[in-house]
Amino acid sequence: DTAVSQTPKYLVTQMGNDKSIKCEQNLGHDTMYWYKQDSKKFLKIMFSYNNKELIINETVPNRFSPKSPDKAHLNLHINSLELGDSAVYFCASSRKGGAANVLTFGAGSRLTVL
Amino acid sequence: EDQVTQSPEALRLQEGESSSLNCSYTVSGLRGLFWYRQDPGKGPEFLFTLYSAGEEKEKERLKATLTKKESFLHITAPKPEDSATYLCAVPSGNTGKLIFGQGTTLQVKP
Repeated sequence: DTAVSQTPKYLVTQMGNDKSIKCEQNLGHDTMYWYKQDSKKFLKIMFSYNNKELIINETVPNRFSPKSPDKAHLNLHINSLELGDSAVYFCASSRKGGAANVLTFGAGSRLTVL
Repeated sequence: EDQVTQSPEALRLQEGESSSLNCSYTVSGLRGLFWYRQDPGKGPEFLFTLYSAGEEKEKERLKATLTKKESFLHITAPKPEDSATYLCAVPSGNTGKLIFGQGTTLQVKP
């Protein structure tokens, strides 16, 4: 059983389109995250939710909107896609949202904006 | 500002050739230092957490150590299957936010 699963694994789309990435975890964790990994493999946090409540909202354009329908799911919707949005987006989860908690990552969703 | 810097960016070793990866950090109040391994096309996978200077942890051919300013990931007699990108990270604040370094991509040739 996959612990953190993301769909789709690959997205190729045109500038200006809207796309969504879905994430589900079956670990019973309370906290979920979205990280972005750029072409230089630099991982940066975007959002985190603790039991459906938004905890972290980094300096991310308003075009990015996370939604957590329940604590096992965290989706990411992106409006008006731009070339610079091309990256790999990772969903992750942890037992709690505190400082020293181990994150379990999904396999990533590679977004390519043409 | 909390910061993590890893070196080298890339490392090529022959099988059996031991070496070390470096992770330097600046953080206000260390709440742990994490090492992750990332294989191509996959998400990072947790390896170790270190909490205090002098602490060491081992897993197979990997040993992680921690000082007040940096952490080292020592790889002893590596095998080709150790080839991956190794990431270190520190928590920033109490919200679970991790600051990652840019990673060291290790290639071990047979």
